[in-house]
Amino acid sequence: GDSVTQMEGPVTLSEEAFLTINCTYTATGYPSLFWYVQYPGEGLQLLLKATKADDKGSNKGFEATYRKETTSFHLEKGSVQVSDSAVYFCALMGGFQKLVFGTGTRLLVSP
Amino acid sequence: DVKVTQSSRYLVKRTGEKVFLECVQDMDHENMFWYRQDPGLGLRLIYFSYDVKMKEKGDIPEGYSVSREKKERFSLILESASTNQTSMYLCASSFRAGEAFFGQGTRLTVV
Repeated sequence: GDSVTQMEGPVTLSEEAFLTINCTYTATGYPSLFWYVQYPGEGLQLLLKATKADDKGSNKGFEATYRKETTSFHLEKGSVQVSDSAVYFCALMGGFQKLVFGTGTRLLVSP
Repeated sequence: DVKVTQSSRYLVKRTGEKVFLECVQDMDHENMFWYRQDPGLGLRLIYFSYDVKMKEKGDIPEGYSVSREKKERFSLILESASTNQTSMYLCASSFRAGEAFFGQGTRLTVV
């Protein structure tokens, strides 16, 4: 069935460092791909999305490119801030509108 | 603003009780989802629904059932609560393959 695998955390970085969080997926057909973020004490919210191969989603300095050949959707940011500390979830929506999430990656950014 | 409302933030139930978790959305979304969130396991899909009276099993449906009699309401039912169902339960809704909006969650403790 459809599934998402993302790198385990926590990922610990200093402010202004480069961030990559890896995400790969397994799905039949052509799913839509998403990154959601959960800030401490808050609910999940959409960070960015891509709906077809080679699409790049971007928001708040974060980017991810839908790579069909490698079934990947890695999240990147050029310079992280302390306020980016959160849990990041990769997700896909496949057949029958089934929305499946990865296990989440906690990001800790220190000043 | 899209709103997804879960009926309770915190709930304590006894083993063997029948438990109802209610979720209501106000944006006429076709899709609704129930997840449980546990540390280290991310969000696991219990059930989802893509239309009124339609329901599909997610990845961990055992011990749960759902009801969607009206488009705006999606109920999760624990037929006989057990301690291993102690968890954070999240409801979400979306319009087709668009952004999913989440409720604030219900923290259920089964004693």
